[in-house]
This record gives sequence, C-alpha cells and structure tokens, in this order.
Amino acid sequence: EDQVTQSPEALRLQEGESSSLNCSYTVSGLRGLFWYRQDPGKGPEFLFTLYSAGEEKEKERLKATLTKKESFLHITAPKPEDSATYLCAVQVYNFNKFYFGSGTKLNVKP
Amino acid sequence: GAVVSQHPSRVICKSGTSVKIECRSLDFQATTMFWYRQFPKKSLMLMATSNEGSKATYEQGVEKDKFLINHASLTLSTLTVTSAHPEDSSFYICSALLAGLSSYEQYFGPGTRLTVT
Repeated sequence: EDQVTQSPEALRLQEGESSSLNCSYTVSGLRGLFWYRQDPGKGPEFLFTLYSAGEEKEKERLKATLTKKESFLHITAPKPEDSATYLCAVQVYNFNKFYFGSGTKLNVKP
Repeated sequence: GAVVSQHPSRVICKSGTSVKIECRSLDFQATTMFWYRQFPKKSLMLMATSNEGSKATYEQGVEKDKFLINHASLTLSTLTVTSAHPEDSSFYICSALLAGLSSYEQYFGPGTRLTVT
C-alpha cells in the first residue's frame, strides 16, 4: 500500500537553530515528491518538486533532498516567519494521485 | 508561480441548503483539478479528481450525490455540497494540475471555510 509518513509531527526551534524535517515514502512508481508550506486557514503553498534520487533544490533558507526512500527538508538558520506546517506529497505514475503526509508543524521562537 | 483562486473564502449556511464553491486557475489551463477536505490539525484528504469535460472520480467513502463536482471549462471547477449538514462543516481546498513537458505540478487555492448551522 502506498504510504507517506512525515516526522516529527511537531518541531520547536529557536531562531537560528537549523534542523531537518523528514518525509519517508513507500509507493510504486514515484513520479515526483512535492513539498508545501501551509499557514493556518490557508491553502498549501508550493515549495519544491523533486523527481529523482540525488536531486536537491534550494530556496532561501530551505533545501530539499531526495533519496529512494525519503526526502528531507533542511531549514538553515530559521526565522519566526518560517513557522508553518510543512507537507510533503508524492505523485505516482498514475498521475491523478497525490498522497499526502500528515505534516510537520514547525514553530520557530525568536 | 501559478495562481488558483477559490470563492467564497468563507460561507455559513443553514442545514439542508446547498452551497457551491468555485475553483479557478487564473493563469493556466487545468485539465485536472482536485478537491480536498481538511479537518482541524489534520492533513489533506482527497475527495475527488475533476477532469474537464468528464465525470469526476470520487475517492472511496465520498458520496458523489452529496458532493457534486462540475469541471465545465479548463479554468473552472465547482464543488456543490448538497443538503448540507453540520458534519459537512470543514475547510475545503481545491488544486489545479499544471502539466509541463515532463512534469506535473499541483497548485492550491486558498481554501473555503464552510460552516453549516
């Protein structure tokens, strides 16, 4: 059965304290892995797409990496405005399916 | 990036009435759109996949007669919650699939908060 698991469920960091969020998956035929940021009461905001193992993408303080079994979202020197829930989703080769993880709620304290 | 809008952002309706939510892709054409439901502090639950010009595909456990989906054009999909009940109160989010040469990316609308009294 296709599954996406995110950890930790919640993460509290001090401003400037770098860390990583994990998204592990077991799917047949990965087409792409997506990272989104969601603020309370809003729709998810697209961050990255990764397509193959070894691929990395960066945007400001965020860097996403992908292996054959998991993806990491590294946050370097986070700021309070990075506080949000981060969701990962995998797309399988039947492209009409996206499987979402349960999210990691990040709280960055000043 | 690609922009998807939803209307209304919030709606309150009485039990037994119907509510229509619109989802529009503003700067691209979307053959496929998705409708999700999100419960408090939970992740997104896919309700149905909406394909332009054809019937929507509903996920298991989602009542197609209650959640009517219409995808009449390449930029508009609508979700109608019929005979709404308080248990239908939730955050509904749509997304649109942007197809590139070798990729598919999913962009989300801002969501609609439905409250049924």
